[in-house]
Amino acid sequence: DGGITQSPKYLFRKEGQNVTLSCEQNLNHDAMYWYRQDPGQGLRLIYYSQIVNDFQKGDIAEGYSVSREKKESFPLTVTSAQKNPTAFYLCASSAPGQGSGANVLTFGAGSRLTVL
Amino acid sequence: GENVEQHPSTLSVQEGDSAVIKCTYSDSASNYFPWYKQELGKGPQLIIDIRSNVGEKKDQRIAVTLNKTAKHFSLHITETQPEDSAVYFCAASSSRFGNEKLTFGTGTRLTIIP
Repeated sequence: DGGITQSPKYLFRKEGQNVTLSCEQNLNHDAMYWYRQDPGQGLRLIYYSQIVNDFQKGDIAEGYSVSREKKESFPLTVTSAQKNPTAFYLCASSAPGQGSGANVLTFGAGSRLTVL
Repeated sequence: GENVEQHPSTLSVQEGDSAVIKCTYSDSASNYFPWYKQELGKGPQLIIDIRSNVGEKKDQRIAVTLNKTAKHFSLHITETQPEDSAVYFCAASSSRFGNEKLTFGTGTRLTIIP
Protein backbone atom coordinates (compact mmCIF):
# COMPACT_ATOMS: atom_id res chain seq x y z
CA ASP A 1 0.00 0.00 0.00
CA GLY A 2 1.26 3.45 -0.83
CA GLY A 3 1.27 5.99 1.92
CA ILE A 4 3.12 7.99 4.52
CA THR A 5 4.58 6.43 7.65
CA GLN A 6 5.32 8.56 10.68
CA SER A 7 7.18 7.31 13.71
CA PRO A 8 7.08 7.21 16.60
CA LYS A 9 3.35 7.60 17.19
CA TYR A 10 3.92 8.84 20.75
CA LEU A 11 7.08 10.42 22.11
CA PHE A 12 8.00 11.86 25.47
CA ARG A 13 10.92 14.20 25.89
CA LYS A 14 12.54 16.00 28.76
CA GLU A 15 13.07 19.72 28.49
CA GLY A 16 16.36 20.61 26.84
CA GLN A 17 16.49 17.51 24.65
CA ASN A 18 16.31 17.42 20.89
CA VAL A 19 14.02 14.85 19.31
CA THR A 20 13.66 13.69 15.70
CA LEU A 21 10.37 12.62 14.14
CA SER A 22 10.52 10.31 11.15
CA CYS A 23 8.46 10.65 7.98
CA GLU A 24 8.75 8.20 5.08
CA GLN A 25 6.61 8.07 1.92
CA ASN A 26 6.43 5.53 -0.90
CA LEU A 27 4.12 7.58 -3.11
CA ASN A 28 6.93 8.95 -5.27
CA HIS A 29 5.80 12.46 -4.36
CA ASP A 30 8.22 15.31 -4.89
CA ALA A 31 6.90 17.66 -2.22
CA MET A 32 6.78 16.98 1.52
CA TYR A 33 5.52 19.07 4.43
CA TRP A 34 5.52 19.21 8.20
CA TYR A 35 2.54 20.67 10.06
CA ARG A 36 1.88 21.28 13.71
CA GLN A 37 -1.63 20.75 15.11
CA ASP A 38 -2.72 22.26 18.44
CA PRO A 39 -6.20 22.03 20.01
CA GLY A 40 -8.53 24.66 18.61
CA GLN A 41 -6.07 25.75 15.94
CA GLY A 42 -5.74 24.93 12.29
CA LEU A 43 -2.78 23.13 10.82
CA ARG A 44 0.29 25.37 10.77
CA LEU A 45 3.16 24.79 8.36
CA ILE A 46 6.60 24.27 9.91
CA TYR A 47 8.80 23.37 6.92
CA TYR A 48 8.32 22.14 3.39
CA SER A 49 10.47 20.65 0.67
CA GLN A 50 9.58 20.65 -3.00
CA ILE A 51 12.60 18.66 -4.13
CA VAL A 52 15.46 16.61 -2.73
CA ASN A 53 18.23 18.63 -1.02
CA ASP A 54 16.04 21.73 -0.84
CA PHE A 55 13.63 22.90 1.86
CA GLN A 56 11.98 26.15 2.95
CA LYS A 57 10.72 27.59 6.21
CA GLY A 58 7.00 27.66 6.78
CA ASP A 59 5.04 29.94 9.08
CA ILE A 60 6.41 28.58 12.40
CA ALA A 61 9.92 27.25 11.67
CA GLU A 62 11.65 28.64 14.76
CA GLY A 63 13.01 25.86 16.97
CA TYR A 64 12.71 23.20 14.25
CA SER A 65 15.07 21.79 11.63
CA VAL A 66 14.66 19.38 8.70
CA SER A 67 16.66 17.56 6.07
CA ARG A 68 15.73 16.11 2.68
CA GLU A 69 18.54 13.82 1.61
CA LYS A 70 16.23 11.29 -0.05
CA LYS A 71 12.99 11.74 -1.93
CA GLU A 72 11.23 9.30 0.39
CA SER A 73 12.32 10.80 3.70
CA PHE A 74 11.75 14.15 5.43
CA PRO A 75 12.69 13.96 9.15
CA LEU A 76 11.82 16.79 11.53
CA THR A 77 14.00 17.66 14.53
CA VAL A 78 12.36 19.51 17.40
CA THR A 79 15.19 21.32 19.11
CA SER A 80 15.51 22.58 22.65
CA ALA A 81 15.04 26.08 21.24
CA GLN A 82 11.36 25.36 20.53
CA LYS A 83 9.60 27.04 23.45
CA ASN A 84 6.36 25.08 23.38
CA PRO A 85 7.04 21.76 21.62
CA THR A 86 4.16 19.69 23.04
CA ALA A 87 1.88 19.14 20.05
CA PHE A 88 0.63 16.74 17.39
CA TYR A 89 2.89 16.73 14.33
CA LEU A 90 1.67 15.78 10.87
CA CYS A 91 3.77 14.99 7.83
CA ALA A 92 2.26 15.27 4.35
CA SER A 93 3.27 14.91 0.73
CA SER A 94 1.89 15.94 -2.64
CA ALA A 95 2.52 15.19 -6.28
CA PRO A 96 3.00 18.02 -8.78
CA GLY A 97 -0.34 19.50 -9.75
CA GLN A 98 -1.67 19.55 -13.29
CA GLY A 99 -1.44 23.31 -13.21
CA SER A 100 -0.21 25.91 -10.79
CA GLY A 101 -1.56 26.15 -7.31
CA ALA A 102 -2.32 23.90 -4.37
CA ASN A 103 -3.37 20.29 -4.79
CA VAL A 104 -4.17 17.18 -2.77
CA LEU A 105 -2.15 16.59 0.38
CA THR A 106 -1.66 13.04 1.64
CA PHE A 107 -1.09 12.97 5.39
CA GLY A 108 0.54 10.51 7.72
CA ALA A 109 -1.16 9.40 10.95
CA GLY A 110 0.85 11.86 13.04
CA SER A 111 3.26 11.85 15.96
CA ARG A 112 2.26 13.17 19.37
CA LEU A 113 5.14 14.77 21.24
CA THR A 114 4.88 15.50 24.95
CA VAL A 115 7.57 17.44 26.76
CA LEU A 116 7.75 16.57 30.45
CA GLY B 1 -1.87 36.94 4.19
CA GLU B 2 -4.94 34.74 4.04
CA ASN B 3 -7.14 34.28 7.12
CA VAL B 4 -9.69 31.47 7.28
CA GLU B 5 -12.40 31.35 9.94
CA GLN B 6 -14.43 28.20 10.51
CA HIS B 7 -17.72 27.73 12.40
CA PRO B 8 -18.96 26.05 14.45
CA SER B 9 -16.10 24.54 16.43
CA THR B 10 -18.33 21.66 17.55
CA LEU B 11 -21.51 20.30 16.00
CA SER B 12 -23.78 17.45 17.08
CA VAL B 13 -26.51 16.17 14.80
CA GLN B 14 -28.92 13.27 14.93
CA GLU B 15 -28.11 10.39 12.62
CA GLY B 16 -29.89 10.92 9.32
CA ASP B 17 -30.05 14.70 9.64
CA SER B 18 -27.88 17.14 7.69
CA ALA B 19 -24.77 18.95 8.90
CA VAL B 20 -23.40 22.25 7.61
CA ILE B 21 -19.97 23.71 8.35
CA LYS B 22 -19.10 27.23 7.21
CA CYS B 23 -15.83 28.96 6.44
CA THR B 24 -14.98 32.52 5.49
CA TYR B 25 -11.75 33.72 3.93
CA SER B 26 -10.12 37.12 3.58
CA ASP B 27 -7.99 37.02 0.41
CA SER B 28 -10.12 37.68 -2.67
CA ALA B 29 -7.38 36.07 -4.79
CA SER B 30 -8.02 32.65 -3.18
CA ASN B 31 -9.54 30.23 -5.65
CA TYR B 32 -8.94 26.73 -4.27
CA PHE B 33 -10.97 25.46 -1.31
CA PRO B 34 -10.43 21.90 -0.06
CA TRP B 35 -12.11 20.13 2.85
CA TYR B 36 -10.24 17.56 4.93
CA LYS B 37 -11.68 14.98 7.33
CA GLN B 38 -9.63 13.78 10.30
CA GLU B 39 -10.78 10.65 12.06
CA LEU B 40 -9.56 9.81 15.53
CA GLY B 41 -5.92 8.76 15.53
CA LYS B 42 -5.46 9.41 11.82
CA GLY B 43 -4.15 12.17 9.60
CA PRO B 44 -6.53 14.41 7.65
CA GLN B 45 -7.84 13.12 4.34
CA LEU B 46 -9.21 15.17 1.46
CA ILE B 47 -12.94 14.56 1.02
CA ILE B 48 -13.87 17.24 -1.51
CA ASP B 49 -12.48 20.41 -3.02
CA ILE B 50 -13.76 23.23 -5.19
CA ARG B 51 -12.13 25.78 -7.43
CA SER B 52 -13.56 29.20 -7.97
CA ASN B 53 -14.83 28.59 -11.47
CA VAL B 54 -17.73 26.59 -10.01
CA GLY B 55 -20.27 27.49 -7.31
CA GLU B 56 -21.16 24.00 -6.11
CA LYS B 57 -19.73 20.52 -6.23
CA LYS B 58 -21.30 17.28 -5.07
CA ASP B 59 -19.98 13.82 -4.29
CA GLN B 60 -22.69 11.46 -3.07
CA ARG B 61 -23.75 12.75 0.39
CA ILE B 62 -21.19 15.54 0.48
CA ALA B 63 -21.42 18.92 -1.21
CA VAL B 64 -19.46 22.14 -1.07
CA THR B 65 -20.84 25.54 -2.04
CA LEU B 66 -18.83 28.66 -2.76
CA ASN B 67 -19.87 32.29 -2.70
CA LYS B 68 -16.94 34.35 -4.00
CA THR B 69 -18.73 37.66 -3.56
CA ALA B 70 -19.26 37.05 0.14
CA LYS B 71 -15.99 35.13 0.45
CA HIS B 72 -17.43 32.11 2.14
CA PHE B 73 -17.78 28.42 1.40
CA SER B 74 -19.64 25.64 3.16
CA LEU B 75 -19.56 21.87 3.54
CA HIS B 76 -22.91 20.08 3.51
CA ILE B 77 -23.29 16.47 4.62
CA THR B 78 -26.71 14.91 4.09
CA GLU B 79 -28.16 11.74 5.62
CA THR B 80 -25.42 11.69 8.24
CA GLN B 81 -24.07 8.37 9.46
CA PRO B 82 -21.98 7.43 12.52
CA GLU B 83 -18.85 7.17 10.36
CA ASP B 84 -19.19 10.87 9.56
CA SER B 85 -18.10 11.65 13.14
CA ALA B 86 -14.69 13.33 12.80
CA VAL B 87 -12.94 16.69 12.77
CA TYR B 88 -13.38 18.62 9.53
CA PHE B 89 -10.98 21.31 8.31
CA CYS B 90 -11.56 23.81 5.54
CA ALA B 91 -8.68 25.53 3.76
CA ALA B 92 -8.06 28.20 1.14
CA SER B 93 -5.29 29.00 -1.29
CA SER B 94 -4.56 30.95 -4.43
CA SER B 95 -3.38 29.38 -7.67
CA ARG B 96 -0.50 31.82 -7.52
CA PHE B 97 0.98 29.56 -4.88
CA GLY B 98 1.33 25.88 -4.07
CA ASN B 99 0.41 23.95 -0.95
CA GLU B 100 2.89 26.01 1.08
CA LYS B 101 0.36 28.83 1.13
CA LEU B 102 -2.66 26.68 1.99
CA THR B 103 -4.33 28.25 5.04
CA PHE B 104 -6.43 25.97 7.24
CA GLY B 105 -9.44 26.77 9.40
CA THR B 106 -9.48 25.83 13.08
CA GLY B 107 -11.57 22.70 12.59
CA THR B 108 -15.10 21.50 13.43
CA ARG B 109 -15.65 18.44 15.58
CA LEU B 110 -18.76 16.74 14.19
CA THR B 111 -20.53 14.17 16.34
CA ILE B 112 -23.32 12.04 14.91
CA ILE B 113 -25.79 10.94 17.57
CA PRO B 114 -27.21 7.43 16.88
